[in-house]
Amino acid sequence: DAGVIQSPRHEVTEMGQEVTLRCKPISGHDYLFWYRQTMMRGLELLIYFNNNVPIDDSGMPEDRFSAKMPNASFSTLKIQPSEPRDSAVYFCASSSSSGAGGTQYFGPGTRLLVL
Amino acid sequence: GESVGLHLPTLSVQEGDNSIINCAYSNSASDYFIWYKQESGKGPQFIIDIRSNMDKRQGQRVTVLLNKTVKHLSLQIAATQPGDSAVYFCAEKGGTSYGKLTFGQGTILTVHP
Repeated sequence: DAGVIQSPRHEVTEMGQEVTLRCKPISGHDYLFWYRQTMMRGLELLIYFNNNVPIDDSGMPEDRFSAKMPNASFSTLKIQPSEPRDSAVYFCASSSSSGAGGTQYFGPGTRLLVL
Repeated sequence: GESVGLHLPTLSVQEGDNSIINCAYSNSASDYFIWYKQESGKGPQFIIDIRSNMDKRQGQRVTVLLNKTVKHLSLQIAATQPGDSAVYFCAEKGGTSYGKLTFGQGTILTVHP
C-alpha cells in the first residue's frame, strides 16, 4: 500500500490567495483526519470525516477554512483567502474502524508558507 | 512574557543506552493508546499501541507500559540508536470517541553517537 498521499508537498503563496491541499487516504480506510502543526500550538485536529461525512469540524479555525470529501479516496482542505498566520504543516491521516483501536496513519504533510 | 512556542520536554541519551519517554493522560475513560515517532520533515509514524485492558506490550526494541491508576503511559526504547532521534507523541482515544485521538505535546529525543 502506498500509504496516505498528500499534495502538494510544499506550497508558497501570497496573502489573499486561495490554497487547496489534497489527500488520498489509505484504500479501505473509512476515517480521514486533517491536522495542522505549528511550533506555537503543536498538532491540532481541524476536522475529521467518517464514510465521507464530516463528523467534527470544531477545530477549523474560521470560515476561511473548508474541507470536503467527495468520495472515499479523496479529500481537500481549502483556505480562502490565505493569511500569513496560516503558515504551518498540514497533515492528513486515515484510519479504519475495522482496525485495532483506530490507529491513524499520517501522510508526509504539506508545508504551507503564506507570504 | 510572550510565548515563543511549545516548550517540549527533551531527553538526551548516548547511543546504546535505554530510553524512557513518559506521558500523562487525563481521560480516565480512554481505552486505547498509541505512541508515534515524528522525524524532522516527516509525518508522525505509528510505533506501538496498547489497549486499556493491558499494562504492557512489547515490540521490536520498544515496550509500552500503561498505569491506569495514575494515568501514565511510557515508551521504553532499548539500545537507543541515532536513528531513534525524533519527537515522540503519545495519543489516547476516549471510550466514546471512535476515530478521534488526543495527542500529547511531544518529547524530543536526541541520541548522541
